[in-house]
Amino acid sequence: LAKTTQPISMDSYEGQEVNITCSHNNIATNDYITWYQQFPSQGPRFIIQGYKTKVTNEVASLFIPADRKSSTLSLPRVSLSDTAVYYCLVGEGFQKLVFGTGTRLLVSP
Amino acid sequence: GAGVSQSPSNKVTEKGKDVELRCDPISGHTALYWYRQSLGQGLEFLIYFQGNSAPDKSGLPSDRFSAERTGGSVSTLTIQRTQQEDSAVYLCASSLGQVALQFFGPGTRLTVL
Repeated sequence: LAKTTQPISMDSYEGQEVNITCSHNNIATNDYITWYQQFPSQGPRFIIQGYKTKVTNEVASLFIPADRKSSTLSLPRVSLSDTAVYYCLVGEGFQKLVFGTGTRLLVSP
Repeated sequence: GAGVSQSPSNKVTEKGKDVELRCDPISGHTALYWYRQSLGQGLEFLIYFQGNSAPDKSGLPSDRFSAERTGGSVSTLTIQRTQQEDSAVYLCASSLGQVALQFFGPGTRLTVL
């Protein structure tokens, strides 16, 4: 399973766009890139998944460059409720998930 | 049920005692996973079930840990002779299959004194 590297923490303010970048230099051909969100005292929750280029849903966008060695989760106009830990995972679909320590996002008023 | 449920939500036990943690997956989900999350850390995979069988037990940290699943539904994670380092949040997830999206429960917070 490909190892991922992402910032330990990020700070933002309400209404701003937040971009969290994840590095995965050893991504394999069959690997997908998946992001989960975790609030305190809750289990992780799926945000978005992609293979290449750009994926957008009602919550976020995921940008993946052509070489797929990194990916960027974009959260538009964050609110206080977006304060959470965000995990980047790389693997074949949703098989055994390997979580790193994630990025702790703090959104302030 | 509407989501994955776990019980108890909190468990405090004394070192050396056995504990059982229960997971009720989403109805119809064939795959079930157990993870462990220590304070401030990411999730650590423990074991995966497809139906009642466990093709991947690679994450179980020691032979004190075991898990079973019956009727393709409820799963129990058992920790024998608990140690203080077993203190963590134990999370369960279920999915429609091995390559399907995993849905997580709220977890059981285990504290070993």
